[in-house]
Amino acid sequence: AQKVTQAQTEISVVEKEDVTLDCVYETRDTTYYLFWYKQPPSGELVFLIRRNSFDEQNEISGRYSWNFQKSTSSFNFTITASQVVDSAVYFCALSEAIQGAQKLVFGQGTRLTINP
Amino acid sequence: DGGITQSPKYLFRKEGQNVTLSCEQNLNHDAMYWYRQDPGQGLRLIYYSQIVNDFQKGDIAEGYSVSREKKESFPLTVTSAQKNPTAFYLCASSRWGLNTGELFFGEGSRLTVL
Repeated sequence: AQKVTQAQTEISVVEKEDVTLDCVYETRDTTYYLFWYKQPPSGELVFLIRRNSFDEQNEISGRYSWNFQKSTSSFNFTITASQVVDSAVYFCALSEAIQGAQKLVFGQGTRLTINP
Repeated sequence: DGGITQSPKYLFRKEGQNVTLSCEQNLNHDAMYWYRQDPGQGLRLIYYSQIVNDFQKGDIAEGYSVSREKKESFPLTVTSAQKNPTAFYLCASSRWGLNTGELFFGEGSRLTVL
């Protein structure tokens, strides 16, 4: 069975600090996808990134970066120079690489608060 | 603008009553989903549908029912058989095909049972 664990329930930092959100996953599949979603106070989840299991290259998008390590089954998310607008709940998710519906398994989420 | 619309945003229900949550999308997506969100538990899949007139149970389907009569609409009924219905419900949609990964979510419906 697939499982995603986000051990950090809540994180609070001061603006401009760097912060890393941890994600550890379990799967028996050799081909799978990993995701990060952001849930702002408005409620809807917003897609941030997808990674497939064959692509361990780290990715950077502005102040966001992601570190995928198959050896440790981790897909961590770092925000550099955090801003108050980054405050949200962040979810890591995992899915099989199959056709059809995108059945994602989500972690418990990490509530990130950026204080001014 | 294209997107997913959920209604109502807040709903209160007495025990023993069925309630239906609406979800409409204008993204022309084939697949639609219902997730339940509880504090500290992340999102759990209730039902999903890949095409019209077809739907599949997710991980926590007991006490819920759905229909998919139109591509744009995927209403969720929370029945009186659902033992703990108070939760935040999120509807999502996606393109059908090799896993592209991106789900588009609505802003959710918060159901409170009094």
